[in-house]
Amino acid sequence: SQKIEQNSEALNIQEGKTATLTCNYTNYSPAYLQWYRQDPGRGPVFLLLIRENEKEKRKERLKVTFDTTLKQSLFHITASQPADSATYLCALGGTGRRALTFGSGTRLQVQP
Amino acid sequence: GAGVSQTPSNKVTEKGKYVELRCDPISGHTALYWYRQSLGQGPEFLIYFQGTGAADDSGLPNDRFFAVRPEGSVSTLKIQRTERGDSAVYLCASSSTIQRGVYNEQFFGPGTRLTVL
Repeated sequence: SQKIEQNSEALNIQEGKTATLTCNYTNYSPAYLQWYRQDPGRGPVFLLLIRENEKEKRKERLKVTFDTTLKQSLFHITASQPADSATYLCALGGTGRRALTFGSGTRLQVQP
Repeated sequence: GAGVSQTPSNKVTEKGKYVELRCDPISGHTALYWYRQSLGQGPEFLIYFQGTGAADDSGLPNDRFFAVRPEGSVSTLKIQRTERGDSAVYLCASSSTIQRGVYNEQFFGPGTRLTVL
């Protein structure tokens, strides 16, 4: 069955450092991958989308990579700030299927 | 503009009762999704509407769950004979017109927290 793995342990880093979150998947050939941010008590908020034929995408302090051979995506936040503290979810989508399959998320805590 | 709204924000019910959860998508969004999120987990897909019709209902766990979108805007998720295992946050999301090969972001509402006692 399809499986998406994100580090279940919280990631604690110092302000100003780069946070790197990992999303691994098995038994899946996604057409695209999305990253969302979720704060407690709120719905997920879209951050970035990367397609299967793209290696890297950037948006301001965010960078996503997508390696379909390794079946892995890395999500980077550079110059992290305490306001970046949240849970980050990766989600995969298939060709012709609009529903997203989400990982369980990784909680990021940026210490001032 | 207004985002996706969901009502109620919290719903407490007793085992065996019937509940309805409402979702108001962003105006003009033709695609609407329902997800369910348990504590510590990511959202789990339930059903997807394109316009008025359910384009994919493969995530509905059983026939106690049903959803409608009669006019292609507001949607209602209906759960019959609720069970304690149905307790979760029910999230609704919408996205703009679906085009082949175009993958749009989904805009999520704040969710309805359902507690079945």
